[in-house]
Amino acid sequence: DAGITQSPRYKITETGRQVTLMCHQTWSHSYMFWYRQDLGHGLRLIYYSAAADITDKGEVPDGYVVSRSKTENFPLTLESATRSQTSVYFCASSVALGRALASYNEQFFGPGTRLTVL
Amino acid sequence: EDQVTQSPEALRLQEGESSSLNCSYTVSGLRGLFWYRQDPGKGPEFLFTLYSAGEEKEKERLKATLTKKESFLHITAPKPEDSATYLCAVQARGNQFYFGTGTSLTVIP
Repeated sequence: DAGITQSPRYKITETGRQVTLMCHQTWSHSYMFWYRQDLGHGLRLIYYSAAADITDKGEVPDGYVVSRSKTENFPLTLESATRSQTSVYFCASSVALGRALASYNEQFFGPGTRLTVL
Repeated sequence: EDQVTQSPEALRLQEGESSSLNCSYTVSGLRGLFWYRQDPGKGPEFLFTLYSAGEEKEKERLKATLTKKESFLHITAPKPEDSATYLCAVQARGNQFYFGTGTSLTVIP
């Protein structure tokens, strides 16, 4: 199916375990993003990627690792999960950023992954 | 410090009762301001992008405006299907994005 998908949709894990959340998009968008959404904080940017093999930190990167070996995939790994990482995680993609391509600045969001760390 | 504040946190309107949602921001090097709609259990859905003070955009019953310090999302004659959480976001220098906590809108038939 075309679009942006996330897996798993729900995940329960224990403190200290490694967890990988998957994100896949079929549009060949250059930019991909990872956000977490928590009550009282709204969406916060964790990492983003401008292209394959190019990633950069967002507002809250600590405790997370990303990679982007292929344009369509952008996995997010929690190397040693903590309770504070319990959240809903959203992946998004965008054709381009910046005013030069003003029509293409919208981010398309996936359905989210609800992660609970016990 | 870059910051986005939305008000009110929640808004209940009768069907047909027009109102406005506010998004105030402090950010270095604003590159764009975005409005999204989010339904329960789903990812945000893009509505508008604004770049310059004075800019306005419209889509059906929604109209977004931008000044140097805030943006408004005007809802004209809302319908129950407009009920959702509306999110404001700004893009700052370095491709950093900051979201507000949203306004939860309920439109009562």
